[in-house]
Amino acid sequence: GENVEQHPSTLSVQEGDSAVIKCTYSDSASNYFPWYKQELGKGPQLIIDIRSNVGEKKDQRIAVTLNKTAKHFSLHITETQPEDSAVYFCAASRPNAGKSTFGDGTTLTVKP
Amino acid sequence: GAVVSQHPSWVICKSGTSVKIECRSLDFQATTMFWYRQFPKQSLMLMATSNEGSKATYEQGVEKDKFLINHASLTLSTLTVTSAHPEDSSFYICSARHAGTSWETQYFGPGTRLLVL
Repeated sequence: GENVEQHPSTLSVQEGDSAVIKCTYSDSASNYFPWYKQELGKGPQLIIDIRSNVGEKKDQRIAVTLNKTAKHFSLHITETQPEDSAVYFCAASRPNAGKSTFGDGTTLTVKP
Repeated sequence: GAVVSQHPSWVICKSGTSVKIECRSLDFQATTMFWYRQFPKQSLMLMATSNEGSKATYEQGVEKDKFLINHASLTLSTLTVTSAHPEDSSFYICSARHAGTSWETQYFGPGTRLLVL
């Protein structure tokens, strides 16, 4: 089955700096890669996703890049703010898989 | 759009009682809903996949007689924790996927915190 590894497990940055979280996946048939943000005591919220037919996608301060050959994808947050502090999860799924495989999460702390 | 609600948001119960958690897709129809369990500072652990009108598919190691799942409509799935014990205390989260599309996007509910005394 699919295996998703996420790094780093914790990340601390200064406000205004950029943050990068990386995930690798094992199943070359996976074609959908979402990123979720989970604040303390809440459910995960989809923040951005990418499909395998594109290499990069941006939404304001957030971007995701995908390297299908290397089977890894990354979340980039620029100009970080304290409210970006949360746990971020990546996931991967293949067509008609019925379910996604999640990474173990990255706890991002943005220091003011 | 794509809002998923859960009820209750938190529940405290005595050992041996059963607890029902509801998951609703408020503004879309969901043929598939997922139930997850999450321990503190850990990732999401998929418990089961629920398809409307059919039996749920449970992940290995999840007791289907203990965690009863019903997905009776395109907007509602329920998880019943039967004869709950303290070790069942956890954060339970559901997610729902749009019906009628090939999208894999899952939208999560806010979670239900269960404490069994």
